[in-house]
Amino acid sequence: EAGVAQSPRYKIIEKRQSVAFWCNPISGHATLYWYQQILGQGPKLLIQFQNNGVVDDSQLPKDRFSAERLKGVDSTLKIQPAKLEDSAVYLCASSMTGGGSPGELFFGEGSRLTVL
Amino acid sequence: SQKIEQNSEALNIQEGKTATLTCNYTNYSPAYLQWYRQDPGRGPVFLLLIRENEKEKRKERLKVTFDTTLKQSLFHITASQPADSATYLCAPNNNAGNMLTFGGGTRLMVKP
Repeated sequence: EAGVAQSPRYKIIEKRQSVAFWCNPISGHATLYWYQQILGQGPKLLIQFQNNGVVDDSQLPKDRFSAERLKGVDSTLKIQPAKLEDSAVYLCASSMTGGGSPGELFFGEGSRLTVL
Repeated sequence: SQKIEQNSEALNIQEGKTATLTCNYTNYSPAYLQWYRQDPGRGPVFLLLIRENEKEKRKERLKVTFDTTLKQSLFHITASQPADSATYLCAPNNNAGNMLTFGGGTRLMVKP
């Protein structure tokens, strides 16, 4: 079974530039998450999708971050304009369950962003 | 506000010993709690899930306890091996939407 795919693995940009990350979840997984992980910290949830609807985006800095999940499958996370403090690993995860029952999250390898 | 605390300092133990990692939470009433392992440069990998009505859960050399009175979960690795060296993350969940909030993680170093 193919895992969660993310790209690019690494990205270096200058502040005020824009960047986009792509995620393809495990086939059949209805729930998709984007997490931000700053070095030395645990993952912080940015946004959760159930199919193509947003379940929670309370911690997404909406003035610069946006995310979409068209057709309930792939998802993109965009940052525009980037700030130095956005340097982090952006993790995508998917889950078969959601909305009432617990289930494990399957994570991708992450996209490491460096903002200079 | 909700808070999840894990030892930020690395835990160093000798091979063969039992490693015990702690996860404390405040202002949470989790229905269940998950533990994940994360290796450098990789995404977290699920290890165990324990529900609020379960006191203990085991999987091979792993054991997790869940004390809702103390608001604490303990994660044990028996007969530890150098390959167990990694960062371990806990994630209590108190809602039905499977939105996981993670602790900061504890780095475990097992020395041969």
